[in-house]
Amino acid sequence: GNSVTQMEGPVTLSEEAFLTINCTYTATGYPSLFWYVQYPGEGLQLLLKATKADDKGSNKGFEATYRKETTSFHLEKGSVQVSDSAVYFCALRNYGGSQGNLIFGKGTKLSVKP
Amino acid sequence: EAQVTQNPRYLITVTGKKLTVTCSQNMNHEYMSWYRQDPGLGLRQIYYSMNVEVTDKGDVPEGYKVSRKEKRNFPLILESPSPNQTSLYFCASSPLVGPNANEQFFGPGTRLTVL
Repeated sequence: GNSVTQMEGPVTLSEEAFLTINCTYTATGYPSLFWYVQYPGEGLQLLLKATKADDKGSNKGFEATYRKETTSFHLEKGSVQVSDSAVYFCALRNYGGSQGNLIFGKGTKLSVKP
Repeated sequence: EAQVTQNPRYLITVTGKKLTVTCSQNMNHEYMSWYRQDPGLGLRQIYYSMNVEVTDKGDVPEGYKVSRKEKRNFPLILESPSPNQTSLYFCASSPLVGPNANEQFFGPGTRLTVL
C-alpha cells in the first residue's frame, strides 16, 4: 500500500545551519507529494508541493525535489532561522484511493537555537 | 478570510458523556476530513467526506461518528468518549478540482481530554 517514511527527530540545529529532512515514499502510480509545517500551537500549513517527477517545490527558502528513481522528497533549507522551529510532515496524495486523501509521515520536530 | 474553524479549542470531559466538535470552512471545498494527532503516531485519519451526504471511514474510525448535511460543516461526534480518545484533533478541507486540488487547509485544532 501507500506509505510515507520520514526521518525521526527531534532535529536540533544552530541558526544558519543547513537543514535536510529525509522523506521516502511507497506508492503505486504517480503520487503528488507535499510538505506541511506545524508551528507550536497551530494547525498544519502547506509548505510546498510537487505533482510530478523531477518537479521542485519551493517556499520560504525551503526546497524539495520529487525523485521518482529514489522515491524520495527530501526537504532542504540552506540557512535555518529560529522561526523555522516547528514540526514538518511529509505527505502523499493517496493515488488510486479516494481522491483528496493524504497519507502523512509521522512528522519531524525541528528546533533551531540562536 | 479563508479559513477552517473548529470549536471548542479545548475540552475536558468525562467518560461516556456525548460531545460534538464542530468544524466549518468558508472556501466551498468539497472534501473535508478529521484527523487525530498523537505523540509518535503522527496524524491518523478518522473520517472523511467527499461532498454533502458522502462520508467514509479513515484509518481509525472506531468510537467516532460524522455527518455532512451542509457543504461547509463537518462535525465530529463522540457518542461515548473514552480516555483513549484523549488527543489533539484537526479538521481539514480541500478542493477536489482546480490548481489547489488536494491541498488540505487545516483548522487550529481541538485538544480533548477524557477523564
